[in-house]
Amino acid sequence: SQKIEQNSEALNIQEGKTATLTCNYTNYSPAYLQWYRQDPGRGPVFLLLIRENEKEKRKERLKVTFDTTLKQSLFHITASQPADSATYLCALDDDTGGFKTIFGAGTRLFVKA
Amino acid sequence: SQTIHQWPATLVQPVGSPLSLECTVEGTSNPNLYWYRQAAGRGLQLLFYSVGIGQISSEVPQNLSASRPQDRQFILSSKKLLLSDSGFYLCAWSVQVGEKLFFGSGTQLSVL
Repeated sequence: SQKIEQNSEALNIQEGKTATLTCNYTNYSPAYLQWYRQDPGRGPVFLLLIRENEKEKRKERLKVTFDTTLKQSLFHITASQPADSATYLCALDDDTGGFKTIFGAGTRLFVKA
Repeated sequence: SQTIHQWPATLVQPVGSPLSLECTVEGTSNPNLYWYRQAAGRGLQLLFYSVGIGQISSEVPQNLSASRPQDRQFILSSKKLLLSDSGFYLCAWSVQVGEKLFFGSGTQLSVL
């Protein structure tokens, strides 16, 4: 079955810098890959979705790339702000028909002022 | 606009007691519905999903069950809770399979 790997160590960056988070998957190439933001004690909030035939997607200060050869997605937050501090989750369809969306454990981001 | 309601927000239950968590979606028809569980500091584990009334797919064969008695209502149940059932339970919906998920505010369940 599909496995998702996200860096379990927290990422600490300075305000104004670009944060880059990594999501790796182990098995078959998913039809789509999603990124969510989760704040403590809250449900995840959808940020971006990228499909297998797309290389890059942008939304305001956010950018997602999808490399099916490397089996990897990168999530970038440019001009980061302290308000961007949260846990970011990678999600994709599993390998049983795409009915299920499975999640990585997430990477905690801290942006220091 | 669409909204998702999940309750209660917190719940403390003794081991061996029953459980019923309810989730309702408003403003859409025939949504795909999901139950996830998140252990402290961990990722989301898919428990159940449903693509229609009465259609439930189970991902975790434990002492939990799910039902969808109405189009926009999804219920998570247990007859006897275990300590290992503690966690943050999240209900979610999507318009279509493979599309973005909209999550509820979650239920923090503590089994003591």
